[in-house]
Amino acid sequence: GNSVTQMEGPVTLSEEAFLTINCTYTATGYPSLFWYVQYPGEGLQLLLKATKADDKGSNKGFEATYRKETTSFHLEKGSVQVSDSAVYFCALIHGNKLVFGAGTILRVKS
Amino acid sequence: DTGVSQDPRHKITKRGQNVTFRCDPISEHNRLYWYRQTLGQGPEFLTYFQNEAQLEKSRLLSDRFSAERPKGSFSTLEIQRTEQGDSAMYLCASSRPWAGGQDTQYFGPGTRLTVL
Repeated sequence: GNSVTQMEGPVTLSEEAFLTINCTYTATGYPSLFWYVQYPGEGLQLLLKATKADDKGSNKGFEATYRKETTSFHLEKGSVQVSDSAVYFCALIHGNKLVFGAGTILRVKS
Repeated sequence: DTGVSQDPRHKITKRGQNVTFRCDPISEHNRLYWYRQTLGQGPEFLTYFQNEAQLEKSRLLSDRFSAERPKGSFSTLEIQRTEQGDSAMYLCASSRPWAGGQDTQYFGPGTRLTVL
């Protein structure tokens, strides 16, 4: 079936550190891939997406590249800020529904 | 776009009671989705509408759950005879058709249900 696996958190970093959150997927075909972010007390917001292999999605300094060979879509940011503290969800689309990973909590300390 | 809105934001109820949630999608989005998110997990798909037609339902949606979108605009999700296991965040999302067939879903803030 279709599924998404994310690295377990929480991930705790100091401000300006480099961030990687791993995401791998299992799917039939080549679905679009997404990263959503959920800030404390708020709903899910689309962070970035990629619709085909080798595409790079980017937004707000975050990047992720659709890797067909490794079935991965790892999220990276070169220098995190305290305001990036949130829960990050990797997802794929299967038909008309999103399939999410369990989420990774990111905590950034000043 | 004013965004997807949901009402209420929080609902506390006693086991056995019925509850109803409302979702207003982004205007002109013809697709509307309901998801459920339990603590520490990612959202799970419940059901999906295109205009007023309910096109897909998850096996998670038991007989106690019913969703409607009567005029193709707002939607309601009703849970009858609530159980403690229904406690979760109920999320609504909407999207518009895209030529590529895989449109971006935009989420509302959710309704947090607590069943005592």
